[in-house]
Amino acid sequence: DGGITQSPKYLFRKEGQNVTLSCEQNLNHDAMYWYRQDPGQGLRLIYYSQIVNDFQKGDIAEGYSVSREKKESFPLTVTSAQKNPTAFYLCASSMVLQGANEQFFGPGTRLTVL
Amino acid sequence: AQSVAQPEDQVNVAEGNPLTVKCTYSVSGNPYLFWYVQYPNRGLQFLLKYITGDNLVKGSYGFEAEFNKSQTSFHLKKPSALVSDSALYFCAVRDPQAGTALIFGKGTTLSVSS
Repeated sequence: DGGITQSPKYLFRKEGQNVTLSCEQNLNHDAMYWYRQDPGQGLRLIYYSQIVNDFQKGDIAEGYSVSREKKESFPLTVTSAQKNPTAFYLCASSMVLQGANEQFFGPGTRLTVL
Repeated sequence: AQSVAQPEDQVNVAEGNPLTVKCTYSVSGNPYLFWYVQYPNRGLQFLLKYITGDNLVKGSYGFEAEFNKSQTSFHLKKPSALVSDSALYFCAVRDPQAGTALIFGKGTTLSVSS
């Protein structure tokens, strides 16, 4: 059963706490992405990685960190520096080839700050 | 800079009628264009993409999209709407010269009434 998994589905964070969102894929995709979704704002790119041990900042990277130690995994840490972290977080992956490679999305993690 | 605009926050259509969800884009070169659909509290599902060639692209669930280079548009269409098509629709663009990340529009909510 191939695809992208994200965990947990719901996550609650206290003020000043760091939390880590998990993203795993078994599609053998080289590229992985993290997006943040807020109502009425669409999806905004946080970080992406096109190869193991390398990643680039997206449009809203401040207050977030990532790692890419394995091809299958791209965890996102929401740090205490992120002042408004309540949102729906989506992970995606794609091939990196010539041509337009669609991204496949996980089911998302909803983060709420208490 | 790359950008995508979805000028309508919401589109309402009666079941059985044709539907159109609008998208315009701005990229420096030839674009790769995508449509995705999102059901509540779920990840995005890929519908269709345009790379090159035929301006009319057919995708999943009976959807199609028409690429118009002169109007820089990529509108999503379906000849006969179903109540089950009610969801949030996102248009996205990728500039082939700028890596694999996508730029998403803010989304259009499609509501199909019975």
